[in-house]
Amino acid sequence: SQQGEEDPQALSIQEGENATMNCSYKTSINNLQWYRQNSGRGLVHLILIRSNEREKHSGRLRVTLDTSKKSSSLLITASRAADTASYFCAFDWLAIQGAQKLVFGQGTRLTINP
Amino acid sequence: DTGVSQDPRHKITKRGQNVTFRCDPISEHNRLYWYRQTLGQGPEFLTYFQNEAQLEKSRLLSDRFSAERPKGSFSTLEIQRTEQGDSAMYLCASSSGQTTARDTQYFGPGTRLTVL
Repeated sequence: SQQGEEDPQALSIQEGENATMNCSYKTSINNLQWYRQNSGRGLVHLILIRSNEREKHSGRLRVTLDTSKKSSSLLITASRAADTASYFCAFDWLAIQGAQKLVFGQGTRLTINP
Repeated sequence: DTGVSQDPRHKITKRGQNVTFRCDPISEHNRLYWYRQTLGQGPEFLTYFQNEAQLEKSRLLSDRFSAERPKGSFSTLEIQRTEQGDSAMYLCASSSGQTTARDTQYFGPGTRLTVL
């Protein structure tokens, strides 16, 4: 299976704390992206990291990518109640033909408690 | 609003009926994707268009499913003879495709289908 796996499946922390979510995959990839989804809504793109990059920052978000371990992590610093959502990693893997499809993990459900 | 739009947002239908969903991508995005998401799971790829050409279809897309993008702009996804197992959120995404590299996919709000 080429599906990504995310860990933990659920995470509950206090407002102001940092939240870390991990994603692992099995094949060689081009890019890895992180998305946020509020309950019953569409996905919001957070950040894209390419296979030749190791770390990327965007505001309170920090993403790392370790291609040797086939894993990525998303760190949200100084969490806020509005960060409560499901977070998905998604990747497209190297293929002979232009496989543009994203493969998603099952997501981490993050709850920020006030 | 210049994001990806989908219509309708919600659809309730009886088993055996046909349904059609519409997706309007971000203007000038030439790549368009359909995904399906069931409760508690991540989205699963269904199909992909480069302009008007449907370049890839998932095994999830049975013969009852058909997607079109006739003029390379909006797309429709039709499900014939719906089954209860078709109940899901159907998500559309688009990307610019300006380079040969994979690029960011932007998602619409989704159409939630309930088959009774």
